[in-house]
Formats: sequence, structure tokens, C-alpha cells
Amino acid sequence: EAQVTQNPRYLITVTGKKLTVTCSQNMNHEYMSWYRQDPGLGLRQIYYSMNVEVTDKGDVPEGYKVSRKEKRNFPLILESPSPNQTSLYFCASSLRPPGKTGGRGTQYFGPGTRLTVL
Amino acid sequence: AQTVTQSQPEMSVQEAETVTLSCTYDTSESDYYLFWYKQPPSRQMILVIRQEAYKQQNATENRFSVNFQKAAKSFSLKISDSQLGDAAMYFCAYRGAQKLVFGQGTRLTINP
Repeated sequence: EAQVTQNPRYLITVTGKKLTVTCSQNMNHEYMSWYRQDPGLGLRQIYYSMNVEVTDKGDVPEGYKVSRKEKRNFPLILESPSPNQTSLYFCASSLRPPGKTGGRGTQYFGPGTRLTVL
Repeated sequence: AQTVTQSQPEMSVQEAETVTLSCTYDTSESDYYLFWYKQPPSRQMILVIRQEAYKQQNATENRFSVNFQKAAKSFSLKISDSQLGDAAMYFCAYRGAQKLVFGQGTRLTINP
């Protein structure tokens, strides 16, 4: 089954304790992206990756890191989490960047990770 | 920078009726794409419909259609024959060069 998986689905942690949220897709997609969703703000893009070893900042990259060593994986790293990073996080992937014709830009979203930083 | 605005935080509609969700955006780009996503209580994001800016014809997917007014930078979603399963948060989104920009969302309630 074609899907985007994220782990963990729920995480409660404390300020300053490094954590990684994994994201994996099995569709051979080139484009992957991380978003955070906060009430009243919608989804905001954190980082995106056009392909292996190619990553770029989205709108809210501060406090986050990513890596794309393999095509299927795009982990989100919080080196020193803070309470303002408490949010719902989504990973997404698409064959091409969003919007490309023929459906190749259709983004597939993971189930989300609810992160609470105390 | 591109912005997307959904001015209706909440909407409600009677089952089987028609409802329209509003979305406006701001951009200086000429080539872009617009989307409507649905987020049910399960929290997954589901693509509902997509519109390429260069296409004049409004996109349609079964009971879902859009009214794309490029000059007005407006992109509304019409849901016909509303069903209980349509209850969700709906997000309008814009994509120009590479980033995907979302609106704040509209929570749609379906009244039986």
C-alpha cells in the first residue's frame, strides 16, 4: 500500500531533549516536506526536499533540522526542543513538487505527529 | 510573499444542501496552483481538488467544484449535496515556485 508513515504518532518530551520524528514513503517520491499545524495558523512549511541531499527552508525553519540521505526517508530533528514547538506535525511527499500536472505533484500526507514539549 | 486567507473560521450546512467555502490569495506570480485539502477528525490531509492557474475552466471532482477568479485572486470551494462525511476542516493552499502556503482553515459542520 502506498503510504507516508510517521513515527512516533504522539510524543511528550521536555525542553532541551533532542528528538527525531521519522518520515518514510514507499512511493519513490522525489519531493518531501514537513509542516506544522497550529490553531488559527493553518499549516506552515518547515523544510522541504526536492531530492536526495537537496533540502531547503520553508516558512518556519528555526529550531528544526532535516536530512535527506535516502530518497524514502526525511527525518525532522529538533536539537533542543522548546515549548513553542508544541504542535501537530505532518510529513508529506509527492512525485514532483506540488502542483505539477498529471497528478505528479499531488502531495500525500502522513498521519501526523502530535508533539508536546513541557 | 504569498498569502492565503480563509475568512470563515466555521461554516455549517444542512445535509443535502450546498455550501461554499471562501479563499483569497495574494501573489505576484503568474504560474501557480491552488488546492483544497480536507482534514477529517483523523487528522490526515486529503486532497479534494486542484486548479492550475493557467486553466480558465473551473476544476470539478464529483460533488466538489471550484470558482476560480484569477483577476480577483479568489478560489472558492462549492460542495453540493453535502453529506455527513464531509464534516471536516478544509484548507485552501497555494503553490508557486516550490513552497506550499496554506490558509488558516474553515471548520465545516454538517447538520443532519
